[in-house]
Amino acid sequence: QVQLVQSGAEVKKPGASVKVSCKTSGYTFRNYGIRWVRQAPGQGFEWMGWISPYNGNTKFAQKFQDRVTMTTDTSTSTAYMELRSLTSDDTAVYYCAREQVALDYWGQGTLVTVSS
Amino acid sequence: EIVLTQSPATLSLSPGERATLSCRASQNINNFLAWFQQKPGQAPRLLISDASNRATGIPARFSGSGSGTDFTLTISSLQPEDFAVYYCQQRSSWPQLTFGGGTKVEIK
Repeated sequence: QVQLVQSGAEVKKPGASVKVSCKTSGYTFRNYGIRWVRQAPGQGFEWMGWISPYNGNTKFAQKFQDRVTMTTDTSTSTAYMELRSLTSDDTAVYYCAREQVALDYWGQGTLVTVSS
Repeated sequence: EIVLTQSPATLSLSPGERATLSCRASQNINNFLAWFQQKPGQAPRLLISDASNRATGIPARFSGSGSGTDFTLTISSLQPEDFAVYYCQQRSSWPQLTFGGGTKVEIK
């Protein structure tokens, strides 16, 4: 069965970076895009970016363009999202999701807390 | 940016009742709309893609309709496990995705 398993919760200080992993299984990793979306506490969803594991192409929301990196490791079917220069506004649950036509399978989410 | 407006914000219903949720887009998005269910502490679950296509394993009591700017998610007979928050999401402006603000379906 399709699974996306994300790394555990993180607590970071303002100005630091965080790297979240998303290990996939149960399907051909290269055949589906990976979308990263976040949800601040009690808030809605915000898309951050997308990556193609097939060729590494990326698309980023303008808001994050200067401080986010997305990569994939096809040998382990894992996607990564790194966000730099964290502020308290980045406190949120970060999700990866498999994407083709729709976001059909999601990771369990990774809570990133930014606090001094 | 395409804005999705969901209504009502909260829907108070009893088990067995019919739920009708609305999602309105700020511009024509054809049928590029999905619906998700989210329960507390859980990731979203895809219910409907492209306005009316039920996702794998989703019960037939969930149905989606609409095109252009007005969309509806209908739950024909609410089951206890259906009380949750529901979100719509558009992909017409891919790679940019936007989500609605959500409708909470609560037990009356």
